[in-house]
Amino acid sequence: DGGITQSPKYLFRKEGQNVTLSCEQNLNHDAMYWYRQDPGQGLRLIYYSQIVNDFQKGDIAEGYSVSREKKESFPLTVTSAQKNPTAFYLCASSGTGSSYNSPLHFGNGTRLTVT
Amino acid sequence: QKEVEQNSGPLSVPEGAIASLNCTYSDRGSQSFFWYRQYSGKSPELIMFIYSNGDKEDGRFTAQLNKASQYVSLLIRDSQPSDSATYLCAVNRGSTLGRLYFGRGTQLTVWP
Repeated sequence: DGGITQSPKYLFRKEGQNVTLSCEQNLNHDAMYWYRQDPGQGLRLIYYSQIVNDFQKGDIAEGYSVSREKKESFPLTVTSAQKNPTAFYLCASSGTGSSYNSPLHFGNGTRLTVT
Repeated sequence: QKEVEQNSGPLSVPEGAIASLNCTYSDRGSQSFFWYRQYSGKSPELIMFIYSNGDKEDGRFTAQLNKASQYVSLLIRDSQPSDSATYLCAVNRGSTLGRLYFGRGTQLTVWP
């Protein structure tokens, strides 16, 4: 069954620690995305990648880093430089069809709490 | 001005009624428009998308697009309590393949 797997579902960290969120897809999609959602807020784009070994900053990239070494994987690292890391993190992918009509498919999300 | 604006709600309708959710967008070059449903604590799931002016129907859902007015809406007919969720409007501006801009969402409650 094709889909996007994010792990872990819940993550707790102490302030000052880096943490890496996993995202794997078996949909054979070229493009992958990381969004952040805060209570009462829409989804804000952190990073996206349209092809292996290439990625671009989104609207709120500061304090985050990514890599795209494989088509299937797009891990996100939340560094200690991120001022307010507690949030719900969503990974998504989209296919290579008619790009303007390609919807995003989301993973189940990782809820990160930093204390 | 935000890229995508939605009525924040909450919107409350009785079971069986029509729920109307609205969304406006700022970029006239926007190409396609998506509606996602998000249950509390869950990830968004796609309901439907539209890219041509007019109406598009899928079961109890109808998306309406008016590019001249930069307006897109979602109608839910025969609303059910299971439709209670937050509905997110998302827009592809066409400038970056696949990238979507999201509104803050409208919270819908359908009471029995």
